[in-house]
Amino acid sequence: DGGITQSPKYLFRKEGQNVTLSCEQNLNHDAMYWYRQDPGQGLRLIYYSQIVNDFQKGDIAEGYSVSREKKESFPLTVTSAQKNPTAFYLCASTDFGTGSGNTIYFGEGSWLTVV
Amino acid sequence: GQNIDQPTEMTATEGAIVQINCTYQTSGFNGLFWYQQHAGEAPTFLSYNVLDGLEEKGRFSSFLSRSKGYSYLLLKELQMKDSASYLCAVRGLLNQGGKLIFGQGTELSVKP
Repeated sequence: DGGITQSPKYLFRKEGQNVTLSCEQNLNHDAMYWYRQDPGQGLRLIYYSQIVNDFQKGDIAEGYSVSREKKESFPLTVTSAQKNPTAFYLCASTDFGTGSGNTIYFGEGSWLTVV
Repeated sequence: GQNIDQPTEMTATEGAIVQINCTYQTSGFNGLFWYQQHAGEAPTFLSYNVLDGLEEKGRFSSFLSRSKGYSYLLLKELQMKDSASYLCAVRGLLNQGGKLIFGQGTELSVKP
């Protein structure tokens, strides 16, 4: 079945360490997004990509980095510069075509905790 | 830029009807989405509006007025399981990067 796969589901990071969250989709979607969600809050946009080898900063990009080398993959790296990374991270994708463009698909999310 | 406003929380009674409002300001518009989210889970799709008017899907309906920058989600025959957070999201134009922004979410509590 088509969908988005995020991994790992749970991740622990030590102080000063970089960690990478994986996001893979087999929906042939052009656009992919990364969001951060803190308890009781909405989704805040970190980075988004409309096409391979291109991506844009969202509202809270500082301390994060991404790449889009393949259409299917949009990994997010939480760097040591992100001082408060503990949160729930969600990856999403959508197609701007008329077919499935009326739906945003989400991965199951990744919980990142700093230890 | 884009800005989305929703009420933070609402309470309603089982069996009743509730309307959750969403207002937005955006430099380009390419659709408005409503999602339901239970704590600790990924959001699930409820509705999509790109043209003005009402879209109905079972117990859920969503309305859009582009000229007013306004949408609402209407939930009928409320059930206890409808207790969740409801997220409004606006998508920007493709030629502007297709930015997708969510509101803070409305926490709905359904009481017996």
